[in-house]
Amino acid sequence: GENVEQHPSTLSVQEGDSAVIKCTYSDSASNYFPWYKQELGKGPQLIIDIRSNVGEKKDQRIAVTLNKTAKHFSLHITETQPEDSAVYFCAAKRDRGSTLGRLYFGRGTQLTVWP
Amino acid sequence: KAGVTQTPRYLIKTRGQQVTLSCSPISGHRSVSWYQQTPGQGLQFLFEYFSETQRNKGNFPGRFSGRQFSNSRSEMNVSTLELGDSALYLCASRPEGLAGGHEQYFGPGTRLTVT
Repeated sequence: GENVEQHPSTLSVQEGDSAVIKCTYSDSASNYFPWYKQELGKGPQLIIDIRSNVGEKKDQRIAVTLNKTAKHFSLHITETQPEDSAVYFCAAKRDRGSTLGRLYFGRGTQLTVWP
Repeated sequence: KAGVTQTPRYLIKTRGQQVTLSCSPISGHRSVSWYQQTPGQGLQFLFEYFSETQRNKGNFPGRFSGRQFSNSRSEMNVSTLELGDSALYLCASRPEGLAGGHEQYFGPGTRLTVT
């Protein structure tokens, strides 16, 4: 099955700085890559996603890049704010076949933004 | 549009008992998946239901089961509870069949504690 690895496990940045979280995956058939933000006591919230036919996608202060050849994708958060502090998860899945609905998650990155 | 709802939010059970958790997906979503989240194992896929049929199952023992009703609401059941079943159980729904359809939206989870 798919194996998703995520680094770093913890990340501390000063408010206003950028944060980058990286993930690798093993299954070349994976072609949908979402990122989730989970705050304490809440479920994961989808913040951005990318399909394998796209190399980069931006939404205001967050962006995701995908290198399908190298099987890695990254989350970039610019101008970080204290409210960005949370655990971030990357995930991968196929868009067809028997595992269509199954997300494979990384282990998460605890991001702390210091004011 | 209302998000994914899960009931109850918190549950305390004793070893050997059984438990049933409930999930109501976003209106119009027919795919419902369940995940277990623990500090040690992270987010792990339990199963996925679509149109009242289990379409995919993760690597969990048979004590974990689920079902989906004609209105897409889903329940999962854990029998003969063990201490290791203590976790946050998350439900996610997906708008399969609509444009895109890959995005999974999570509920707040049910925190199960087994004593």
